[in-house]
Amino acid sequence: GESVGLHLPTLSVQEGDNSIINCAYSNSASDYFIWYKQESGKGPQFIIDIRSNMDKRQGQRVTVLLNKTVKHLSLQIAATQPGDSAVYFCAENIGPDSNYQLIWGAGTKLIIKP
Amino acid sequence: EAQVTQNPRYLITVTGKKLTVTCSQNMNHEYMSWYRQDPGLGLRQIYYSMNVEVTDKGDVPEGYKVSRKEKRNFPLILESPSPNQTSLYFCASSSSAGIRGLRQYNEQFFGPGTRLTVL
Repeated sequence: GESVGLHLPTLSVQEGDNSIINCAYSNSASDYFIWYKQESGKGPQFIIDIRSNMDKRQGQRVTVLLNKTVKHLSLQIAATQPGDSAVYFCAENIGPDSNYQLIWGAGTKLIIKP
Repeated sequence: EAQVTQNPRYLITVTGKKLTVTCSQNMNHEYMSWYRQDPGLGLRQIYYSMNVEVTDKGDVPEGYKVSRKEKRNFPLILESPSPNQTSLYFCASSSSAGIRGLRQYNEQFFGPGTRLTVL
């Protein structure tokens, strides 16, 4: 079946540098995407979302880019900090036929090196 | 404080001994959901509920039951737990699943997780 996937399971970044976490999706009907952050021992926490009618959305230090042509989603974190160390999940929502359920990727672990 | 709570946080049990993991939210959310999280598999949805007395199967419902008798509570029941149900379980709630057009219409708030071990 169709699913959300991630290119890299683990990403190490120097503190202060920018990081990019990638996500591929295969369901062309998906029209809403979300990034979640999960710190050790905690539940996932919403970071940012984007609708399919947008290419880019910015938050505080985070930017999500959506390329519908190649079905690719990325999360950019600027000036990474130790608190950014976590597992990041992308999730897609494939619309009313699925009761708006989310399909989750396997996650990428981001490690911030001091 | 707005939150989703789960109990217990940790549980070790034996095969076949019925157990219930409770979930409660104080945000008056209509939508609630249970996920299990296993290494390398991300989050997989077990059951979800669009509102009181409305529940539906997710991707991996086998071996689980749920009920939604009141809006704030959504317990997960394992009638006869087996070792393959050893996992980390998360409950989540959302205010507006199915209501499109809102900025964060599908943002789900997660509980802290319940780590279950079935021996």
